[in-house]
Amino acid sequence: QQQVKQSPQSLIVQKGGISIINCAYENTAFDYFPWYQQFPGKGPALLIAIRPDVSEKKEGRFTISFNKSAKQFSLHIMDSQPGDSATYFCAASMNSGYALNFGKGTSLLVTP
Amino acid sequence: ETGVTQTPRHLVMGMTNKKSLKCEQHLGHNAMYWYKQSAKKPLELMFVYSLEERVENNSVPSRFSPECPNSSHLFLHLHTLQPEDSALYLCASSQQTGMGNTIYFGEGSWLTVV
Repeated sequence: QQQVKQSPQSLIVQKGGISIINCAYENTAFDYFPWYQQFPGKGPALLIAIRPDVSEKKEGRFTISFNKSAKQFSLHIMDSQPGDSATYFCAASMNSGYALNFGKGTSLLVTP
Repeated sequence: ETGVTQTPRHLVMGMTNKKSLKCEQHLGHNAMYWYKQSAKKPLELMFVYSLEERVENNSVPSRFSPECPNSSHLFLHLHTLQPEDSALYLCASSQQTGMGNTIYFGEGSWLTVV
């Protein structure tokens, strides 16, 4: 059973637009929610992460919004650039654990 | 240059072959991981080692055999694989296991089983 559901599977955004990727989870024991970015031919790299004691975290053009009651979190990329074109994975894990449960990924294409 | 180095980057093997994937981390971390990445599937955790001791085996078939001789090196020994095992195998490391420890991935080894 997939523990983290991610949508959309693919996304095309024009340069300067906002990219939004959504994730939902069922296990209320999850309390660490990272996002990873993966370029072709590379391994995933941590982009930004959030814990459920805050509803939003911003780093540069990247923002995570977290809704604990809805068990949802999302990644917003403001002023999207062609260099942001990559696959994005959301993940979740529990305090005492180490197993990151990943979503299936979203392939983002930012057009010039 | 990545702190986690994987070799080989590409491997083609027959179903009766025996091969190994190698991973080395230069970050001074204590935990190492093997993940499997298949098309249109979530990243799947296969094995976790903490201080050279295997702490998780995620129901992985015995045709995959991990080895962690020290905290910097991790191997994945492969034998009698199936075509459905073709995937990108990612090695990763973190300072410790546990929440909030950033996991650093290598660039992966592309495996094709023919």
